[in-house]
Amino acid sequence: KNEVEQSPQNLTAQEGEFITINCSYSVGISALHWLQQHPGGGIVSLFMLSSGKKKHGRLIATINIQEKHSSLHITASHPRDSAVYICAGGSQGNLIFGKGTKLSVKP
Amino acid sequence: SQTIHQWPATLVQPVGSPLSLECTVEGTSNPNLYWYRQAAGRGLQLLFYSVGIGQISSEVPQNLSASRPQDRQFILSSKKLLLSDSGFYLCAWSALAGYNEQFFGPGTRLTVL
Repeated sequence: KNEVEQSPQNLTAQEGEFITINCSYSVGISALHWLQQHPGGGIVSLFMLSSGKKKHGRLIATINIQEKHSSLHITASHPRDSAVYICAGGSQGNLIFGKGTKLSVKP
Repeated sequence: SQTIHQWPATLVQPVGSPLSLECTVEGTSNPNLYWYRQAAGRGLQLLFYSVGIGQISSEVPQNLSASRPQDRQFILSSKKLLLSDSGFYLCAWSALAGYNEQFFGPGTRLTVL
């Protein structure tokens, strides 16, 4: 069993839909990272959070430390949001990655 | 502002050939540096990290090695590539040790034939 699990693995949505990607972890972490990987491979850090909620534009990330669960929400999704979204748990200075969720937003 | 560079962007190498991938960071001093590999269908795996010049920690035994000859330069090497070394290699940096945000380079896609 992976220490960081994401669901779903693949997600197809229509433009405008509200999207949720989930991340559960079994290891003790001090911070949870959400990353976005574009088709070309480049990775962008979206959020790093250790409690509560963070918002940036149409993206919202939440974390529940007690339940060891985090969610990434995208409101009013757009085709340009199509990418792989990866969550990673920060443990002892390093990151443990989930396998990613591939999101496709159709116009 | 800080930027991170990797080269080459893509590389096709025969089995048994050597490898050298380079990563440099600009706009910061004493960064923590990381090498990750993303194999097809798998998540990112930490290969090496470095907290300073000449200080390298390896996370998994493998056919690769890393060096940090300068503060902002991180090199990934192999003497003889294996087919299983194919993948997408990403360099990243963070400002401090611990759980700080990491910033990723553009990556190198390596195909070993």
